[in-house]
Amino acid sequence: EAGVVQSPRYKIIEKKQPVAFWCNPISGHNTLYWYRQNLGQGPELLIRYENEEAVDDSQLPKDRFSAERLKGVDSTLKIQPAELGDSAVYLCASSLGTDPDTEAFFGQGTRLTVV
Amino acid sequence: AQKVTQAQTEISVVEKEDVTLDCVYETRDTTYYLFWYKQPPSGELVFLIRRNSFDEQNEISGRYSWNFQKSTSSFNFTITASQVVDSAVYFCALSAWETSGSRLTFGEGTQLTVNP
Repeated sequence: EAGVVQSPRYKIIEKKQPVAFWCNPISGHNTLYWYRQNLGQGPELLIRYENEEAVDDSQLPKDRFSAERLKGVDSTLKIQPAELGDSAVYLCASSLGTDPDTEAFFGQGTRLTVV
Repeated sequence: AQKVTQAQTEISVVEKEDVTLDCVYETRDTTYYLFWYKQPPSGELVFLIRRNSFDEQNEISGRYSWNFQKSTSSFNFTITASQVVDSAVYFCALSAWETSGSRLTFGEGTQLTVNP
């Protein structure tokens, strides 16, 4: 069974440019997460979807970040415009349920470098 | 607010040594779950174990064992007879029913290096 697929794996952009990341979750998983992982730190949740609905986006910087999950499957995370401080690994994860004991499955992440 | 602290930033051991990774957590919720994830160089986080706040029974799975002590808010992880393939960053994480649903609060991770 395929795991969580993310693309691209690496992205280098100049500041003020836009960038987008794509995530395909595990088939049948209705919950999807975007986490940001800064160098040397643990991941932090940006947004959580239950099907098509964003149910937890309290930590998403809405002035420059946006996300969508059309049809409750694939998701795209966008940054516009990017800033130097956005350099990080962006991890997508999915899970079958929404309960706190749910095991989340993670993709390999997209490493973003803003220069 | 929830918080997970992994005081050990880096640990280096020689193969076959036992190693314990420490995790201390804070939460006001009475029902919560603790996790350990492993992040190899390839980048994805791999689930290792989950424990709920009502189950303090320690667990052994092969070379891995976990020690959950509610009295000290700790959830430590031990690898017995470490191997080079165990080299990775290990994260302790917490989720709580009332506060955050399935959102995971991670510690900062412990980089484990097992040398041959």
